[in-house]
Amino acid sequence: DTEVTQTPKHLVMGMTNKKSLKCEQHMGHRAMYWYKQKAKKPPELMFVYSYEKLSINESVPSRFSPECPNSSLLNLHLHALQPEDSALYLCASRGLPTGDYEQYFGPGTRLTVT
Amino acid sequence: DAKTTQPPSMDCAEGRAANLPCNHSTISGNEYVYWYRQIHSQGPQYIIHGLKNNETNEMASLIITEDRKSSTLILPHATLRDTAVYYCIVRVGGYSTLTFGKGTMLLVSP
Repeated sequence: DTEVTQTPKHLVMGMTNKKSLKCEQHMGHRAMYWYKQKAKKPPELMFVYSYEKLSINESVPSRFSPECPNSSLLNLHLHALQPEDSALYLCASRGLPTGDYEQYFGPGTRLTVT
Repeated sequence: DAKTTQPPSMDCAEGRAANLPCNHSTISGNEYVYWYRQIHSQGPQYIIHGLKNNETNEMASLIITEDRKSSTLILPHATLRDTAVYYCIVRVGGYSTLTFGKGTMLLVSP
């Protein structure tokens, strides 16, 4: 099974809402990632978790809060977002942090902030 | 990671070979060349990677020049489903992050 799943597929939220995005993989990968992709732009890295610990935060605003409750799950908690945060949010996973393993991406969650 | 340069768009007729170039003139000796693609509204998909030698898998072939300053991704018999944005990325082997450039939008037409 080489699948990364993400839920929900689409999410519309107001600026005062709190919501969460979920990502799951069962490949035994120990590195997991969140990317943000605006329309017609390439994906941009937000966070990296390695062995369930946050290893990289690309200066992401605190209204985005990642969580890795176990090695298979990755969440992104959203609070007080702005309309400009509307984007496709992609999750990815990879094998051990060393070695030459490719990243597997999920289909993404299309987020619209109203 | 070293930067890459790719043409913004390319066209290819269905059934023909698609040859996508990438320049990476500042690549370091320990950096690999990776190719990913992203079909519209889907997550990126790994295609192939290489260090020095040419590589082939069931999806594509990767040709790296001897000086490693450029490479070409070859889709031998392009289909309509190969229409996507193709990203060439150079990164140190084992390094965990990918930095996506603007990529090449490949349009395969009937």
